[in-house]
Amino acid sequence: EADIYQTPRYLVIGTGKKITLECSQTMGHDKMYWYQQDPGMELHLIHYSYGVNSTEKGDLSSESTVSRIRTEHFPLTLESARPSHTSQYLCASSDSGTGGGYTFGSGTRLTVV
Amino acid sequence: GIQVEQSPPDLILQEGANSTLRCNFSDSVNNLQWFHQNPWGQLINLFYIPSGTKQNGRLSATTVATERYSLLYISSSQTTDSGVYFCAVVNYGGSQGNLIFGKGTKLSVKP
Repeated sequence: EADIYQTPRYLVIGTGKKITLECSQTMGHDKMYWYQQDPGMELHLIHYSYGVNSTEKGDLSSESTVSRIRTEHFPLTLESARPSHTSQYLCASSDSGTGGGYTFGSGTRLTVV
Repeated sequence: GIQVEQSPPDLILQEGANSTLRCNFSDSVNNLQWFHQNPWGQLINLFYIPSGTKQNGRLSATTVATERYSLLYISSSQTTDSGVYFCAVVNYGGSQGNLIFGKGTKLSVKP
């Protein structure tokens, strides 16, 4: 079944560690996105990609980085995690060809201690 | 950039009641979606509705693009409807055509 997958679902990690949040989609969508959401708050776009080897920063400044080497894969990396990075990270994808809606993954809830 | 305002911010209902959630946006849109975020943080797509009316079971949505608003109707509410409802829009002439979210309506349905 075509879908979008995020791993891990929950992550508790110590300050200073390097982490990578995984996002993969099997829908063949060309566009992918990362949103950050603090509990009870709205979602803010932190990164997006319109295709392979294309990445841009979103509206909310983030210390994370992303890569898009394959169409289906859009990982997010934090080189040195800090407590201020504690948040939920949601990955999404969309198809520019059909102009359809966004599909979201289940999210990764990150806690940095 | 485009502004998205949702009302009310909080809503408490008794099970079985009906409700209407509103989304106003400040510019023309190419895409509008309603999402439900459950207590576990998962964001579920309810409707893709840049214009017109759609229905799915007890939920329906109407977008009047010319007047820049959308409404989400929930009928015969159930406790499982609790969570946060987000409206989100895309304006291709604005922020690179990416989805911009409102602050959400937090719905609590009491048994």
